[in-house]
Amino acid sequence: GAGVSQTPSNKVTEKGKYVELRCDPISGHTALYWYRQSLGQGPEFLIYFQGTGAADDSGLPNDRFFAVRPEGSVSTLKIQRTERGDSAVYLCASSPFGGGEQFFGPGTRLTVL
Amino acid sequence: SQQGEEDPQALSIQEGENATMNCSYKTSINNLQWYRQNSGRGLVHLILIRSNEREKHSGRLRVTLDTSKKSSSLLITASRAADTASYFCATDLNQAGTALIFGKGTTLSVSS
Repeated sequence: GAGVSQTPSNKVTEKGKYVELRCDPISGHTALYWYRQSLGQGPEFLIYFQGTGAADDSGLPNDRFFAVRPEGSVSTLKIQRTERGDSAVYLCASSPFGGGEQFFGPGTRLTVL
Repeated sequence: SQQGEEDPQALSIQEGENATMNCSYKTSINNLQWYRQNSGRGLVHLILIRSNEREKHSGRLRVTLDTSKKSSSLLITASRAADTASYFCATDLNQAGTALIFGKGTTLSVSS
């Protein structure tokens, strides 16, 4: 079956612009996670959804970052007033329930010029 | 902050040799997982070991967990060039065992 998909695969934007990154989880998975990975580092947790609600958003670095999952399936990570430090690969993962093995998408590489 | 720290940061071996990577963490966990990442993109789950387990096998992979030392090891036996990748350990961020904290990873290079 289809795995987790993310679009776009690459996004180049200018400092100060707004970007949206999309994640399509595996069908039927209630848990969805966003991570951010900088070069040479491991993924860093941003936010976790259980169904439509954000169960844990403690990893969001500041209020420029926001994520939604209105119908409990597709999720969008939104970054306002992008900064060069936001450049990273943004990874999405899903799992059947909270906890346990997570299935990762290929990521979106965001570059802020 | 990162919970897990892998050691070594980089490892180069020949095909057929075994590769051992270690992971240390700081706080109590529900489970510990190992993931593989090729080319800096999507991660693939390898194995999960629960806090009440001490050893687990999956194919050529063997994982051990020592909760008293807060450490785990991943052994890949009879390595192949296709095993070349970065390997990360991940532990629970919270008691619900939902989100994960990853270490910086070990970069494994297997040459033929």
